Amino acid sequence: EVQLVESGGDLVQPGRSLRLSCRTSGFNFGDFGVGWVRQAPGKGLEWVGFIGKKALGGTMYYAASVKGRFTISRDDSEGIGYLQLSSLKTEDTAVYYCARSSGWLFASWGQGTLVTVSS
Amino acid sequence: EIVLTQSPDTLSLSPGERATLSCRASQSVGNNYLAWYQQKRGQAPRLLIYEASTRATGIADRFSGSGSGTDFTLTISRLEPEDFAVYYCHQYASSPWTFGLGTKVEIK
Repeated sequence: EVQLVESGGDLVQPGRSLRLSCRTSGFNFGDFGVGWVRQAPGKGLEWVGFIGKKALGGTMYYAASVKGRFTISRDDSEGIGYLQLSSLKTEDTAVYYCARSSGWLFASWGQGTLVTVSS
Repeated sequence: EIVLTQSPDTLSLSPGERATLSCRASQSVGNNYLAWYQQKRGQAPRLLIYEASTRATGIADRFSGSGSGTDFTLTISRLEPEDFAVYYCHQYASSPWTFGLGTKVEIK
């Protein structure tokens, strides 16, 4: 069974950093891309970023709203994806989901982890 | 950036009725890389349809997708109680990937 489990969400102050993890099981992690999507309280879905599989160069893409502040990475040996959040703003408050990507499609999702940015 | 506009914002229907949800793109979606997701309160989104019209694994055949280019539709032929949720369209044809704002299907 394909599983993705996010962790690392927390209450943090504006300007601080946080690292989210996406631990996976049930599939060969290295064969897939990993995407991140967030959802602010009561709002819709917002694409955050994506990292491709290493066989295709592991290219990263970011939404304009997070570019330069967030960094996506992956550890294929452990089957874990990461989202490093820096210079956090109150508007970054959201549930963050990771998703396994088949091609560019987000096919399987984790349950999400809540990041709250507040002083 | 491809902007996706979903309509209506809310659809009030009874179980057994047909639901028709629209998603219009600001420019053509290449390869019809348009997906539909269902999200229930407190849950992660679930993939229903990809490439505009292909049902994902395990999705009931009452869900169907159609359209191409800039106009796409999700149809639920006969609403079941578990279908009342929010539905999002999503284009994955070009970066930045984008989502529509969602259509809420509620019980009338």
